[in-house]
Formats: sequence, C-alpha cells, structure tokens
Amino acid sequence: DQQVKQNSPSLSVQEGRISILNCDYTNSMFDYFLWYKKYPAEGPTFLISISSIKDKNEDGRFTVFLNKSAKHLSLHIVPSQPGDSAVYFCAASVGQFYFGTGTSLTVIP
Amino acid sequence: DAEITQSPRHKITETGRQVTLACHQTWNHNNMFWYRQDLGHGLRLIHYSYGVQDTNKGEVSDGYSVSRSNTEDLPLTLESAASSQTSVYFCASGPNTGELFFGEGSRLTVL
Repeated sequence: DQQVKQNSPSLSVQEGRISILNCDYTNSMFDYFLWYKKYPAEGPTFLISISSIKDKNEDGRFTVFLNKSAKHLSLHIVPSQPGDSAVYFCAASVGQFYFGTGTSLTVIP
Repeated sequence: DAEITQSPRHKITETGRQVTLACHQTWNHNNMFWYRQDLGHGLRLIHYSYGVQDTNKGEVSDGYSVSRSNTEDLPLTLESAASSQTSVYFCASGPNTGELFFGEGSRLTVL
C-alpha cells in the first residue's frame, strides 16, 4: 500500500511561472518530509525538506508547504526555469524513507 | 569530497545467475539503503541498514540480500536473477537525522 502518493505523473509550465507539485501521505507518524529532484541517468538529489513541526520552509526559489491535517505536502517553484525540468519525488520519513512515484516537470522556454 | 559510489553502472546478466551490486560511501553514515526505480512505482525500498551487522527488509526484499560488515559498504546480492528484477537500482546513505544522499544508480538487465 503506497504511503506516499503523487497523483500527477506530469506537469508542464511556462518559464517564469509558478510550478506547484503535490504529494499526499497516509501515515500520521511521518516526522520529516523531503523533495528530491532527478535528472535522467543520475541519482536523485536532495532539494528541500520540512519537519513535521513546521508548515513552511523556503530556500530561494523553492518553498515547501506542509498541511498536516490534510496530510498534504506541496513544492512551489517560483519562477520556474528550463533547468528545473526533471522528475520530482516527494518522500516522508519515520526511520525509513518512503517515496512517491514522481512527477515529471517540464518547463517550457 | 565525501561521496557515494555504485558499481557496476550497467550490467546485463542471464536468468538464474547471482549478481552483486556494490555501494560504497565515504561520509561515515550509519544508515544505508537500497532502492529500485521502476516506471509507475517510483523508488521502492529493498533493504536497509542502520549500522554494522544490522540489516532489515524493505517492501520489495524477496530475491535480494544485503550484508553490512563495515560502515562504508552495503552490497546488494540477487541470489538467482529473474527478469522481474530488471530495474535501476539506487543506493543511498544518510546520518541518523536528515536527508539521504544517493548514488548514480546501477542499471541491471536480466535476460
């Protein structure tokens, strides 16, 4: 049973606009949430994280929002750039790390 | 610089053969993980280790084994390779708190 879900397999956004990637989880015991970015033929690289005691964390163009009551996580990228085109995985941790199925983001120049 | 390396990066083998994928990290992390990535499934946990001599099964552990004889290495062994094990395999390591660091991946094809 998938504990972390990304229901949008793909997303296309114009350069300069906002990209919003979403993630839902089922386990209320998760205490740490992360987003990873993956280019083809490379390993996933860490992007941004948030602790369960916070509801927002910002790092430059990237902001992660956590809504614990809805068990929902989102990643906002503003402004989107062509180099952001990649597959984005959300992950949640309670000891082990559980990953979603990924969302392929395409930023159109 | 500290890093995590996987070898081989590409492997073609035949059904029934034993295959070992190597993972080596120089961060001195206690925690190490093996994942496989398949279309539509994302990253699924195969096995993980929280320290030397500690190994644990993940959600898709059948047909795989690991051993942890030192901090730096967590080799993944496919005892008898099957076509269903054709996949891209990622090793990751991390401290007790914080994010995971991934290797570049090993693409395995079982014919």
